[in-house]
Amino acid sequence: IQMTQSPSSLSASVGDTVSITCRTSQRISIYLNWYQQKPGKAPKPLIYAASNLQDGVPSRFSGSGSGTDFTLTISSLQPEDFATYYCQESYSSFTFGPGTKVDIK
Amino acid sequence: QITLKESGPALVKPTQTLTLTCTFSGFSLSTSGVGVGWIRQPPGKALEWLALIYWDDDKRYNPSLKSRLTIAKDTSKNQVVLTMTNMDPVDTATYYCAHRRHGSGSNYGFNWFDPWGQGTLVTVSS
Repeated sequence: IQMTQSPSSLSASVGDTVSITCRTSQRISIYLNWYQQKPGKAPKPLIYAASNLQDGVPSRFSGSGSGTDFTLTISSLQPEDFATYYCQESYSSFTFGPGTKVDIK
Repeated sequence: QITLKESGPALVKPTQTLTLTCTFSGFSLSTSGVGVGWIRQPPGKALEWLALIYWDDDKRYNPSLKSRLTIAKDTSKNQVVLTMTNMDPVDTATYYCAHRRHGSGSNYGFNWFDPWGQGTLVTVSS
């Protein structure tokens, strides 16, 4: 399964709402996870099964989609949200997307 | 509390075999449903899943690297070992091990990695 993410990077301001899209080369139902990674740190899981928030993840993060198209939305961006975000399918293996870097405008 | 830590050489020469060990605590690989995976990340690049081993010794590999990878577990030592043959400079990366978690109830079939180890940087150079 091939994964794509768009955009590859984006600049935003605190308080903005941003959306990141992940597309898969074949249908994966909702077997899609999202991770956040900050420089020098291991990834942190945010969302599993496309839309289920991990324990402790703020409600400003949300996920949607099924089949081949998925979206991660961050509402009211906070300073600690500037990071790189990866999608990952768990339908056939554990392939990761290429990542989307969110930085400060 | 689940913790994992990777160990292994920081530097390997091209064509050599890399052996990495993941030592974990807070869970047992003899417990039904448990899995441990390896993921790597070249400097400045994306994550790449490598391999996963389950409690029942079922093993899964990234198809593009399968011929070079072997994953094994030592339940008594709480360790998972990954070997990668024929190392090349493009294999320079931070290598992470991670606990495979699954959902509960109706979400049991959904899997993700959590938590992760701190990662270990492996450089391939002569």
